Amino acid sequence: DTEVTQTPKHLVMGMTNKKSLKCEQHMGHRAMYWYKQKAKKPPELMFVYSYEKLSINESVPSRFSPECPNSSLLNLHLHALQPEDSALYLCASSQDGGQGAYGYTFGSGTRLTVV
Amino acid sequence: AQSVAQPEDQVNVAEGNPLTVKCTYSVSGNPYLFWYVQYPNRGLQFLLKYITGDNLVKGSYGFEAEFNKSQTSFHLKKPSALVSDSALYFCAVRDRGSTLGRLYFGRGTQLTVWP
Repeated sequence: DTEVTQTPKHLVMGMTNKKSLKCEQHMGHRAMYWYKQKAKKPPELMFVYSYEKLSINESVPSRFSPECPNSSLLNLHLHALQPEDSALYLCASSQDGGQGAYGYTFGSGTRLTVV
Repeated sequence: AQSVAQPEDQVNVAEGNPLTVKCTYSVSGNPYLFWYVQYPNRGLQFLLKYITGDNLVKGSYGFEAEFNKSQTSFHLKKPSALVSDSALYFCAVRDRGSTLGRLYFGRGTQLTVWP
C-alpha cells in the first residue's frame, strides 16, 4: 500500500456543524501533515505530527483540532467554521518522521465547503 | 529563512516542443529539492527530487530537472511536451538541517500544453 487515503472526498457543512476529516496511511510513515490549499495557490502547512506527537501548529485557529490516534491515522476535527475556511484540505505523510531526504506522499484531499 | 521562487505563473507550450518550468531557491546550507504536480481537484503527486550527486535528475513521466548550485536553481524540463502534462507544478525545498522535514513550496506554475 503506497497511498494516503482521505475521507470524505467532498464535505459541505454549516457554520454550526461539527465534522471530521480522516487520513490514513499504511506505509509505516512516522510524520503526518495537514495542509490547507486554496485554488491555484500552494499548500499552506497547518499541523505536523511526528511519531504521533504534535510538533508544529502553524497558529491555526482553534476551530481546527488535529488528532493522531495511532501511527496510521490522522484526523482533523472541525467546529464552527467560517466560509473562508472553504478549501482543499490535504493530508501528507513522510517516511522518516520528518528528517532526511524523503518527500511527502499526499492524499487526494477533502474539498470542504462551508455554507 | 528558506524560500522558493517560481517566477512564472503560467507557461504555455505547444505539444511536442520542449518545456521548462523555472524554480530558484534560497536556503541556509544544502537543500533537498522536489517537484510536484497537481491535476484539478487532486492531491500533489511527486515527480522527482534532488538529494546529492548528479545534477541532472530524472523523474516520472519523462520529466527531468537540473540542479545548479551556483545559480540556486532547479528547473523542471521535458524534451517533448504532451497535452496531458497540463497541470499545476510546484517546486519545493526541504532544509537538510530541519528536524521536522518541513517542505517550503513555491507559488506554483500553471503549465498549459496546447495541441
